[in-house]
Amino acid sequence: EAGVVQSPRYKIIEKKQPVAFWCNPISGHNTLYWYLQNLGQGPELLIRYENEEAVDDSQLPKDRFSAERLKGVDSTLKIQPAELGDSAVYLCASSLGGSQETQYFGPGTRLLVL
Amino acid sequence: GQSLEQPSEVTAVEGAIVQINCTYQTSGFYGLSWYQQHDGGAPTFLSYNALDGLEETGRFSSFLSRSDSYGYLLLQELQMKDSASYFCAVKKTGGYNKLIFGAGTRLAVHP
Repeated sequence: EAGVVQSPRYKIIEKKQPVAFWCNPISGHNTLYWYLQNLGQGPELLIRYENEEAVDDSQLPKDRFSAERLKGVDSTLKIQPAELGDSAVYLCASSLGGSQETQYFGPGTRLLVL
Repeated sequence: GQSLEQPSEVTAVEGAIVQINCTYQTSGFYGLSWYQQHDGGAPTFLSYNALDGLEETGRFSSFLSRSDSYGYLLLQELQMKDSASYFCAVKKTGGYNKLIFGAGTRLAVHP
């Protein structure tokens, strides 16, 4: 069974440019998460989807970040415009759903903003 | 507020046993998870404790004391491939499977 797939794996952009990350969760997983991981830190939740509904986006900086999961399967996270401080790893995770389910992470997209 | 404390680095030799501690302060505690992450890799689930006591999975065990707001991950018969970062993460109630991660412990295993 394929795990969580993310692309691209690496992205280098100049500040003020837009960037988008794509995630395909494990088949059958209803819940999808986007996390931000800074160097030497643990992942921090940005947004959580239950199917196509964003049920927790309290940590998403909505002035520049947006996300969508239109058909309740794959998802896109966008930053526009990117700032130097956005350099980090963006992790996607998925779980079956329900309060007990294990979250399975993808390898992440490593973003460098110059 | 909420916080998790774990050592930033631990060093051990192959074949040894190492314990990584995690103390937490949070409202709405539901359980404690542990994840492993190799450099450049995805965080990988290791274990989860919702009740007090020890959970054993092969060479890895995890312990939780809810009254002490404390848990640990025990790694036995260390191998070089265990060199990685280990994160404890609090699962909160009300947040419906929301995880709050600690900053991680970097484990270096030497021959």
